[in-house]
Amino acid sequence: AQTVTQSQPEMSVQEAETVTLSCTYDTSESDYYLFWYKQPPSRQMILVIRQEAYKQQNATENRFSVNFQKAAKSFSLKISDSQLGDAAMYFCAYMNYGGSQGNLIFGKGTKLSVKP
Amino acid sequence: DTAVSQTPKYLVTQMGNDKSIKCEQNLGHDTMYWYKQDSKKFLKIMFSYNNKELIINETVPNRFSPKSPDKAHLNLHINSLELGDSAVYFCASSQHSSNTGELFFGEGSRLTVL
Repeated sequence: AQTVTQSQPEMSVQEAETVTLSCTYDTSESDYYLFWYKQPPSRQMILVIRQEAYKQQNATENRFSVNFQKAAKSFSLKISDSQLGDAAMYFCAYMNYGGSQGNLIFGKGTKLSVKP
Repeated sequence: DTAVSQTPKYLVTQMGNDKSIKCEQNLGHDTMYWYKQDSKKFLKIMFSYNNKELIINETVPNRFSPKSPDKAHLNLHINSLELGDSAVYFCASSQHSSNTGELFFGEGSRLTVL
């Protein structure tokens, strides 16, 4: 069975600085998706960034980028120029490609605080 | 308009009661899901339906019964509520044929069982 591990329960960053959230996963599959979701206090789950395992190029979305290391099964999220609105729980998630699509396997989350 | 909407957003009830949470999506997606987030924020899939057909049914007590009257709706009915059922329940949807794998989540329904 696939697992997702986020080893940092809490992280803190100064506004305008850069922070990296760690995520490792375990799978025997070769095709899969990886995601970072953000959950602010409003509870809404918001997709931050997505990576297809077959793509070697790291995904980027404005201030958010990932470092995807397939061999190491690592998928870290870098937030540049942190803003107060980035404060939230961040969840790393894995999904098999094909088969039971939609079965997201989540890590336990990292609570990010942003200091003004 | 909210893409995936759930009602009610908050629900407080007594042990032993039966309650339902409704979910509707206006994205035209063919697959809908229920996820449970426990008190430690851990999220886990409960069910998924594709075109009204159950395709994922994780280890969930029989007291939980999803119902999909059409592909835009997936309701969750819970019988004989227990204290451990207190959680936030998220509905989500996706297009099965999409190659993005992206799920669209509702805002969650916080259930408190007293």
